[in-house]
Amino acid sequence: AQSVTQPDIHITVSEGASLELRCNYSYGATPYLFWYVQSPGQGLQLLLKYFSGDTLVQGIKGFEAEFKRSQSSFNLRKPSVHWSDAAEYFCAVGAAGTASKLTFGTGTRLQVTL
Amino acid sequence: DGGITQSPKYLFRKEGQNVTLSCEQNLNHDAMYWYRQDPGQGLRLIYYSQIVNDFQKGDIAEGYSVSREKKESFPLTVTSAQKNPTAFYLCATTGQGTDTQYFGPGTRLTVL
Repeated sequence: AQSVTQPDIHITVSEGASLELRCNYSYGATPYLFWYVQSPGQGLQLLLKYFSGDTLVQGIKGFEAEFKRSQSSFNLRKPSVHWSDAAEYFCAVGAAGTASKLTFGTGTRLQVTL
Repeated sequence: DGGITQSPKYLFRKEGQNVTLSCEQNLNHDAMYWYRQDPGQGLRLIYYSQIVNDFQKGDIAEGYSVSREKKESFPLTVTSAQKNPTAFYLCATTGQGTDTQYFGPGTRLTVL
């Protein structure tokens, strides 16, 4: 069975500091990996996705993520955080090649201090 | 204006009543999904549908029902059998060949 672990429930960073949110997955085949962001009371917005190819993927809002198969990880990074990045971030894994079910992590809430 | 519409944004019901949440899309996407979100638990899949007139149970289908009579619509009914229905409900869609789920704005259901 597929699973996703986001070990950090809550992270606080200062504006302008770098950010890394951790995501570890368990999946038996080639995974499709996603990062979504959610503002309070809103739906989820796709930040970036990895299907194949270059293991460093660029997303919107200056975010990037690196797929490391040997570590079963897909960590999200941003070099300089802005106050507007405060939100909840979800990592998800799904099957390759189909419009299939996604399994989500429990999320990491990011707080940004000024 | 293209996208996924969920209505209403906030919904209140008395315990024991069935309630139907709406999800409409004009993206011409084939697959539609319903998720439930509770604090600290991420998103859990309730039901999904890959084509009209067909749908499958997700991980937490008990106490819920769906229909898919039109490609654009995938309503979710929360029945009185659902023991703890208060939650945030999210609808998502996927287009053919995209493999990426896009989400609606969500409906917050409170059962009093």
